[in-house]
Amino acid sequence: EVQLVETGGGLIQPGWSQRLSCAASGFLVSSYYMTWVRQAPGKGLEWVSVLYTDGYTYYADSVKGRFTISRDNSKNTLYLQMNSLRAEDTAVYYCARLIVGSGWDYFDYWGQGTLVTVSS
Amino acid sequence: DIQMTQSPSSLSASVGDRVTITCRASQNINNHLNWYQQKPGTAPKLLIYLASSLQSGVPSRFSGSGSGTDFTLTISSLQPEDFATYYCQQSHSKRTFGQGTKVEIK
Repeated sequence: EVQLVETGGGLIQPGWSQRLSCAASGFLVSSYYMTWVRQAPGKGLEWVSVLYTDGYTYYADSVKGRFTISRDNSKNTLYLQMNSLRAEDTAVYYCARLIVGSGWDYFDYWGQGTLVTVSS
Repeated sequence: DIQMTQSPSSLSASVGDRVTITCRASQNINNHLNWYQQKPGTAPKLLIYLASSLQSGVPSRFSGSGSGTDFTLTISSLQPEDFATYYCQQSHSKRTFGQGTKVEIK
């Protein structure tokens, strides 16, 4: 059974850093494209970042240069390193598996999410 | 970036009603359109991918149609467990979501 479990959220001061983890089971994160999607309180969904199987990474403009996506194959875990956090980064962060085809993709499995609150 | 606009933003319906939600892309996205359902406090759940393909395990009362810029999600007979917020999402260029449509009980 595919499962994704995020951890690492909490209350963080503006300008500080935080690392989110997403532990996967039932499949290998190294064999799939993996992503982070966030949802600000009461708002819609925003794609944040993707990590390809070959190691390429892409980011939304809103987090480019501040966030870094990575994985540890030995732990079957995806990470999101978030630096220089801002109030507008406050959101529930979901990791999700991405199924990819020729010019298209979709998120087929999602974790339960972890809440990051950036506030002094 | 491609903008996705859903309508309506919310609707009230009764159990058994036929419900239709529309999603419009700001440019041609072929059929690179997915639909998700989200209930309060839970993660989104994939319903439809590539505009009209039903995800495994999703009830057949859900269907999707459209291509190019205009898409539709239809629930043929609304059930109590279908009251939720629905999002469209394009994957043609980067990935962007619509603002959501909340389906409430009338």
